[in-house]
Amino acid sequence: GESVGLHLPTLSVQEGDNSIINCAYSNSASDYFIWYKQESGKGPQFIIDIRSNMDKRQGQRVTVLLNKTVKHLSLQIAATQPGDSAVYFCAETPGTYKYIFGTGTRLKVLA
Amino acid sequence: NAGVTQTPKFRILKIGQSMTLQCTQDMNHNYMYWYRQDPGMGLKLIYYSVGAGITDKGEVPNGYNVSRSTTEDFPLRLELAAPSQTSVYFCASSDRQGGKLFFGSGTQLSVL
Repeated sequence: GESVGLHLPTLSVQEGDNSIINCAYSNSASDYFIWYKQESGKGPQFIIDIRSNMDKRQGQRVTVLLNKTVKHLSLQIAATQPGDSAVYFCAETPGTYKYIFGTGTRLKVLA
Repeated sequence: NAGVTQTPKFRILKIGQSMTLQCTQDMNHNYMYWYRQDPGMGLKLIYYSVGAGITDKGEVPNGYNVSRSTTEDFPLRLELAAPSQTSVYFCASSDRQGGKLFFGSGTQLSVL
């Protein structure tokens, strides 16, 4: 599960570098995956999503990769900026009301 | 569009008090959800609704109640607040089951 918690794994990257955030999902039946960004004191903000019939999807500066064989999801952020500093977490759903949320990774962008 | 709007943003309750967390969305979404977010834990589903007049329990419904009289509004009621209910609460909506979730900005609740 994900949370804006005190002891989240942290990824520190230099401004301008690329960031890769990983997520292991749990349900083989999940067919829809979402990445969220959560800044301190705010609600989760949608970044990008992907369906299980795809391996890769690109947005503006972000790419999501899905590896169903090992149940792994990754979020790549190109040219990381200070405004990208936040907690990032993944969500999965088998297409029902039930969503499973990752525990989250804190991204710190170093100037 | 405002999206999903939650009020209040912060609240402190004494043990045994009651309150209602408000949630409204202007996207005409049928599906609405209440989650709580605790440190070190993932978002946990409290209650959800698939449309006006229809609600159902999620993973952690004890101590909470909901109603859904309109498509727009999905309030969450705490009847007898307990310290275990100290958390950040998020309301979310989606246009279909298993679709993209849109979240509100959250309510930080402390029960002392």
